[in-house]
Amino acid sequence: QVQLQESGPGLVKPSETLSLTCTVSGASIRNSFWAWIRQAPGKRLEWIGYVYDTGTTYYNPSLRSRVAMSLDTSKDQFSLQLRSVTAADTAVYFCARDNAYILYWGQGTLVTVSS
Amino acid sequence: DIQLTQSPSFLSASVGDRVTITCRASQDISTYLGWYQQKPGKAPNLLIYAASTLQNGVPSRFSGSGSGTEFTLTISSLRPEDFASYYCQQLLNYPRTFGQGTKVEI
Repeated sequence: QVQLQESGPGLVKPSETLSLTCTVSGASIRNSFWAWIRQAPGKRLEWIGYVYDTGTTYYNPSLRSRVAMSLDTSKDQFSLQLRSVTAADTAVYFCARDNAYILYWGQGTLVTVSS
Repeated sequence: DIQLTQSPSFLSASVGDRVTITCRASQDISTYLGWYQQKPGKAPNLLIYAASTLQNGVPSRFSGSGSGTEFTLTISSLRPEDFASYYCQQLLNYPRTFGQGTKVEI
């Protein structure tokens, strides 16, 4: 059974960088697309982007200037960095395997941007 | 980006009711549409893919239809565990986009 688990700080100060890691178990990180999706309180799901096992990335144009994703095949982990955060970036962040329709999600982690 | 608009945003219903949720796309997405159910504090769960194909393990009271720009998710007879939020997602283009959600409540 594929399982994903997000980890990282739950509180980030404005203007700083949000950093999250997703650890994958039950499946190889190779040959799959790995995505980050977030959901601000009371808002719709927002797809942030994906990283593929070659390191290829695609980011949502709305966040492209602030986002970076990477993966570490030796640890079966992939990561999200979001720079220059504001209160608008407060959300539950989900990692997911995004080979098309998303079957496997992490449980989600709440990140609050506040001083 | 492809915009998805769901209606209604909120739906009050009772156990046993037939419920229909609509998702409209801003452009033709063929059948590249999925439906997810999300319960509070949980990740979404895939119900339907390719507009009308039931994901393995999903009860048959859920069904999907549509193509092009208009899609529907139907729950034939609402059960207590179906009170949740439902989202559509398009997979024709990047960035992937979701509808704003429909909350089904008692």
